[in-house]
Parts: sequence; C-alpha cells; structure tokens
Amino acid sequence: DAEITQSPRHKITETGRQVTLACHQTWNHNNMFWYRQDLGHGLRLIHYSYGVQDTNKGEVSDGYSVSRSNTEDLPLTLESAASSQTSVYFCASSEDRSQPQHFGDGTRLSIL
Amino acid sequence: AQKVTQAQTEISVVEKEDVTLDCVYETRDTTYYLFWYKQPPSGELVFLIRRNSFDEQNEISGRYSWNFQKSTSSFNFTITASQVVDSAVYFCALSEAFSTNAGKSTFGDGTTLTVKP
Repeated sequence: DAEITQSPRHKITETGRQVTLACHQTWNHNNMFWYRQDLGHGLRLIHYSYGVQDTNKGEVSDGYSVSRSNTEDLPLTLESAASSQTSVYFCASSEDRSQPQHFGDGTRLSIL
Repeated sequence: AQKVTQAQTEISVVEKEDVTLDCVYETRDTTYYLFWYKQPPSGELVFLIRRNSFDEQNEISGRYSWNFQKSTSSFNFTITASQVVDSAVYFCALSEAFSTNAGKSTFGDGTTLTVKP
C-alpha cells in the first residue's frame, strides 16, 4: 500500500542548530505540503510543492526551507532552530487540488 | 482569499447524544472542494469526506452525515448517537480550483469534540 512517512517521529535539539525533517511518499503525488500544528492555531502551512523543482512559501515560512529534487521526497529544513519552532510538524501529499491530502504521522520537534 | 471558520473551539457531549460541528467558508472561486478530517488523540490526521462545489447533495455514512449549503457557505458535520471513539479534533478544509491559491488547502482551527461515557 502507498504511504507517506515522516522521520524522525520525535526530535530534541538546541537553539541555533540546523534541523532537517524528512518526508517520503510512495503515492507518486505531485503535490506535497508541510504544516506545523500548535495549540490554538490548527494547521498552518509552511511550504508546499507542486512538483519536482517547484517550491512555494506558505503562511509561516520564515526560518524554514524545502527542496524538491524528486517526486517522493520533500525535506523540511530549519536553518537555525528557534524555541518558537517547537511544534508538531505534518507532511502531506495529494494527487491534485480536488483530492484530499494524505498525512504522515507527524514529527514532534522540541527546541531547547 | 480563502478562509475557513470553525467557530466551536470545544464541544463536550454525553455518549449517544447527537452533535453538529459547524464549518463556514469564504471563497471567490466558483469551483472549490471542501473536506473534513479527523485527528484522534493518537495524533494522526484521517480524511473523512470530500465535497465539490457543484454537488450539494447531503451525504450520510453510518452515524456521520454532512450538510453542504452554498447559500450559507456552510459544510456542517453531524454525528448521530455519538460514541467515546468519536472524541477527536475535527478539521474542515477548503481547496480552490482556479485561484492563485489553487492546489493548497486552508484549514479551520479545528473543533475538539469530547464524548463522555
């Protein structure tokens, strides 16, 4: 069965460090998304991609970057981690704009 | 700009009660898609239903039903005879077909439903 996997599931790091969260999907979807989820804010879009070499900023993109070198992967990088980036991060993919998104299980990131 | 409002932050009911979760949306597109997702306490996000803007038929799936009304820009979700397993955060989402926002979904802030035994 096709799936979307995130790694690691949990990570603790220190402020100022670079952190990369992995997202891998086997749906062969062109659309991929990164969200963060914080209490009281629901899901906020960080970055998204409509295909290889395409990346776009979402509503909370400052301090984050993504790259899309193949269809399957959209890694999310925190260039210099800040305590405000402590959150649960979800990766998702979809076939196209009319279809629902398939979500990974999330990565709980704590920045101390 | 697209926007989704879930005005009910938290709802608490007793098992077997019916409960309706409200979702109101804003969009300028004439073609759009609406979704409901469930996030149980275990944390994963599960897709429940999709509706497109040109299909206003209500949908029923077991104890779940959805009422889509374009006239009021609402896509409400009703759980009949709620059960403890229904306890979760429920998100409503909107995806536009043709605007510059097309391809990405806007999520509401979610409604936390607690069903007590």
